[in-house]
Order: sequence, then structure tokens, then C-alpha cells
Amino acid sequence: QKEVEQDPGPLSVPEGAIVSLNCTYSNSAFQYFMWYRQYSRKGPELLMYTYSSGNKEDGRFTAQVDKSSKYISLFIRDSQPSDSATYLCAMTDNYGQNFVFGPGTRLSVLP
Amino acid sequence: DVKVTQSSRYLVKRTGEKVFLECVQDMDHENMFWYRQDPGLGLRLIYFSYDVKMKEKGDIPEGYSVSREKKERFSLILESASTNQTSMYLCASSLDSGSTDTQYFGPGTRLTVL
Repeated sequence: QKEVEQDPGPLSVPEGAIVSLNCTYSNSAFQYFMWYRQYSRKGPELLMYTYSSGNKEDGRFTAQVDKSSKYISLFIRDSQPSDSATYLCAMTDNYGQNFVFGPGTRLSVLP
Repeated sequence: DVKVTQSSRYLVKRTGEKVFLECVQDMDHENMFWYRQDPGLGLRLIYFSYDVKMKEKGDIPEGYSVSREKKERFSLILESASTNQTSMYLCASSLDSGSTDTQYFGPGTRLTVL
């Protein structure tokens, strides 16, 4: 079993849709969870950063962490064509020694 | 399964030393990337390569160079290491050329420059 699993997509949605992106993981030591957005030929940019379980909201983006299920999600409300990118989840333990990334999900938001 | 390996998990070097970080992928991927990961700054792209002997600067190329003599190997070089280059370095590869396809990451090299 891979340490972090993420549906690679591609995922295509119409403009205005609610998008749900998900990752599952196997290591219960992970405490910090991140979502990155990466546009073509650019480096990933950090979107959301959460610690332990719970929800975090930032504008149209909501990150959810369910440690009991080892499952994290990123929701995008009112999706826009400019949201078209690859989204990577990432996580690490308390010591930052074991940093693991999901492979990324490619999202296309169609006007 | 794609495997991306990096030459060292932990490395300690002194200021001014030349440092080589090696990355090898075994799936005939076109694209290879070097990132550094720092607390609070996220993942930042240093250099990438879409083909053998081809390289393009990422967001933070200063102080680094790269080499891709063979398709499976992408090396990151710190010509003269400095303390601000202490970081976690991650290599990644992906299949398609010219697109942000699924990236497979290596385990990372934690470099400390004293």
C-alpha cells in the first residue's frame, strides 16, 4: 500500500461546480496536512495548511482532515476556470522528517 | 510502480563545499524536477527538465545548477554551499512532456550546511 493515495484524475467540471479532491494515507504519525496547487510549468504553491483533525476555510477553499479515517479533502466552491491546475496533497509528522506528497489530481474547470 | 530514488536521506556539508544531489527514476519519464521544502514556505521549484540535456529555471534557481546527461538521472548541484541552502530537497518525475502530469516524488534529502 502506498503511503499516500490520490486519485490522479483528470477531473473535469463545469464552472460554478463544487469540487472535492481527496487523499488517503496509511501512516498514523502524520499530523500536518497541506494542499498545493500547481499550474503548468510552475512550481506548486501552498493553498492550505492544517494541523490534526478538523476543518479550515479560506475563501472558496475548505480543507478537511479526518484522522480517524486517515482521509483528507479539499473542497472548492464556485469553481472557476482559473482553478484549473494540478492539486497535490502533502503531509508530515510532528518532526517534519517524513514528508510525503500525493501524486496530484489534475482539475479542469470548463467555462 | 514508479520509483524515484535520491542518493542520500541526510547530508551534512560545510559552507563553500560543492554538493551533488542525485535523483534516479526507473519509469522512462520525460520530466524531472528539483524542489526544496522549507517550513512556512511550502514546496518551491528550483529547476526542471523536459528532456535529456535540457533544463529550465524554476522559481528559485539562484545558487543551484542541474545536469541531465541521461534520461533517468537528474542531478542538483550546489557549487558553493551556503547556510541558507539548508533545507529538504525533493526530486520528482512525471511522464508527459509539456504538461503538469502526475508527479512522483522521491523520499527527499535533508541537507544541513554548517
